Amino acid sequence: GQQLNQSPQSMFIQEGEDVSMNCTSSSIFNTWLWYKQDPGEGPVLLIALYKAGELTSNGRLTAQFGITRKDSFLNISASIPSDVGIYFCAGPTSLNYGGSQGNLIFGKGTKLSVKP
Amino acid sequence: DTGVSQDPRHKITKRGQNVTFRCDPISEHNRLYWYRQTLGQGPEFLTYFQNEAQLEKSRLLSDRFSAERPKGSFSTLEIQRTEQGDSAMYLCAITSDVGELFFGEGSRLTVL
Repeated sequence: GQQLNQSPQSMFIQEGEDVSMNCTSSSIFNTWLWYKQDPGEGPVLLIALYKAGELTSNGRLTAQFGITRKDSFLNISASIPSDVGIYFCAGPTSLNYGGSQGNLIFGKGTKLSVKP
Repeated sequence: DTGVSQDPRHKITKRGQNVTFRCDPISEHNRLYWYRQTLGQGPEFLTYFQNEAQLEKSRLLSDRFSAERPKGSFSTLEIQRTEQGDSAMYLCAITSDVGELFFGEGSRLTVL
């Protein structure tokens, strides 16, 4: 079945550093969504991408929809302590096209922590 | 604020008990979703409502799970005869016109 692989699984950040993470799949996706989740809360949508090659920014966050449509990247510039959390990529399942839209498959997340 | 309220936020129960979670979208939304998230995993789709009709159900939704949306507004998710494996965060979500999923704060279930 469809799977989304996120890399790295975890990383440590120091305030001010730039952060990069990615999401890959063996299947083609026509939408990529990036979410952030804080402990005990629901995931919050950060960026949505709808077109191959698209580059979209939201403040210090920039995400790209890979040209092959099988990957996406999220970059955080000049990280701050509140960037700590788990970042998930997501996309519609192959059963979803033309269907419910909200039936998404999620990666396992990239956990951002503060460098000790 | 995503416009989706969930209650309770946290429920601790003993194995074998029934539990019910409620999801209230603040404004009218045709489509409402339930997801489950276990520790270390991303959310997994459970079921979907278009108004009051339940249109999709995941294989994860065993016979002990039942979801309703009686008037096409709020929704409930009931788990009967809970098992320890049911311990998870249960997330309710709505979609925007372009299919972006917006989650509520979640209801965390702990089965002892």
